Amino acid sequence: EAQVTQNPRYLITVTGKKLTVTCSQNMNHEYMSWYRQDPGLGLRQIYYSMNVEVTDKGDVPEGYKVSRKEKRNFPLILESPSPNQTSLYFCASSLGTGEAFFGQGTRLTVV
Amino acid sequence: QKEVEQDPGPLSVPEGAIVSLNCTYSNSAFQYFMWYRQYSRKGPELLMYTYSSGNKEDGRFTAQVDKSSKYISLFIRDSQPSDSATYLCAMSENNAGNMLTFGGGTRLMVKP
Repeated sequence: EAQVTQNPRYLITVTGKKLTVTCSQNMNHEYMSWYRQDPGLGLRQIYYSMNVEVTDKGDVPEGYKVSRKEKRNFPLILESPSPNQTSLYFCASSLGTGEAFFGQGTRLTVV
Repeated sequence: QKEVEQDPGPLSVPEGAIVSLNCTYSNSAFQYFMWYRQYSRKGPELLMYTYSSGNKEDGRFTAQVDKSSKYISLFIRDSQPSDSATYLCAMSENNAGNMLTFGGGTRLMVKP
């Protein structure tokens, strides 16, 4: 089954404790992205990648890092999480023909 | 002002009604327009995808794009309780699907 898999689905952590949210796709897509979703603000792009070792900032990149060492994986790294990064995070992948496939989401709470 | 504006709702309609969802945008470079449906606790899934101005129909769903007015719409005919979800419009300057700008979403409730 074609899918984008994120882990974990739910995470509660403390301010300053480094964390990684993993994302993996099995569709051989070149393009991958990370979004955060906040009430009233919709989805906002954090980072995107057009291929292995090619990443670029989206609209809200501050406080986040990404890497794309393999085509299928695109982890999101929060080096020093803060409470304003409490949000619902989505990873997405695309073949480049328009449709983006989204993962199930990761609900992150930073206390 | 947000780049893409969408009424958050909630919009409550009886089963069988025609639903109209809308978005306005300010970036004239947007060429590709999408509607995503998002059920509670799930990721968005693509409903409709259109390029430039015009209409596109798929079953009970019709997407309209008016680039001259910077206005897009999604119509749902014969709405069903299973259509209850949040509907997100999204737009892009390219068709790669990797740089989408979303509206805030409209929550729709279809009551039996």
